[in-house]
Amino acid sequence: GDSVTQMEGPVTLSEEAFLTINCTYTATGYPSLFWYVQYPGEGLQLLLKATKADDKGSNKGFEATYRKETTSFHLEKGSVQVSDSAVYFCALSDSRNTPLVFGKGTRLSVIA
Amino acid sequence: DAGVIQSPRHEVTEMGQEVTLRCKPISGHNSLFWYRQTMMRGLELLIYFNNNVPIDDSGMPEDRFSAKMPNASFSTLKIQPSEPRDSAVYFCASSPVAGGQETQYFGPGTRLLVL
Repeated sequence: GDSVTQMEGPVTLSEEAFLTINCTYTATGYPSLFWYVQYPGEGLQLLLKATKADDKGSNKGFEATYRKETTSFHLEKGSVQVSDSAVYFCALSDSRNTPLVFGKGTRLSVIA
Repeated sequence: DAGVIQSPRHEVTEMGQEVTLRCKPISGHNSLFWYRQTMMRGLELLIYFNNNVPIDDSGMPEDRFSAKMPNASFSTLKIQPSEPRDSAVYFCASSPVAGGQETQYFGPGTRLLVL
């Protein structure tokens, strides 16, 4: 079945450092790919998404490119802030009208 | 627009008691999802509904758990009897449709502690 694999956390970075959180997926069809973010004490919220190969999703300085050849959707940000501290979830949804499949989440802590 | 509304936000109960969690999805959304989140197991999909009909409840841990969606604007997740291992954060989410390119919108969650 479909699955998502994320790098294990926690990831601790200093403010203004470069961030990469790796995500790879397995799917039989042509899924849409998502990154969700969960801030402390809150529910998940969509950060960005990409619906076809080579699409780049971007939001709040975060970017991820849908790479079909490597089945990856790595999340990047050039300069993280303390306010980016959260748990980040990679997810996919295939074309068969089934719910999102989430990765296990990666906790990011940014220190000043 | 109001997002997904969940109540209560926090619940503390004793083992053996019945617990009912409530969810109001975003108006116009046709799919509703219940998730459970724990440190050990991460985010788990318990059950989801399309147009008020339960589609997949394979994630419901056992018969003590039940979920209903009597109409398009309300759903409940009930645990009877509750056990300490049910302690978790329970999220409700809604979406225009169940999959494809559609985004799921999450509520703030109900933090449940069973003593």
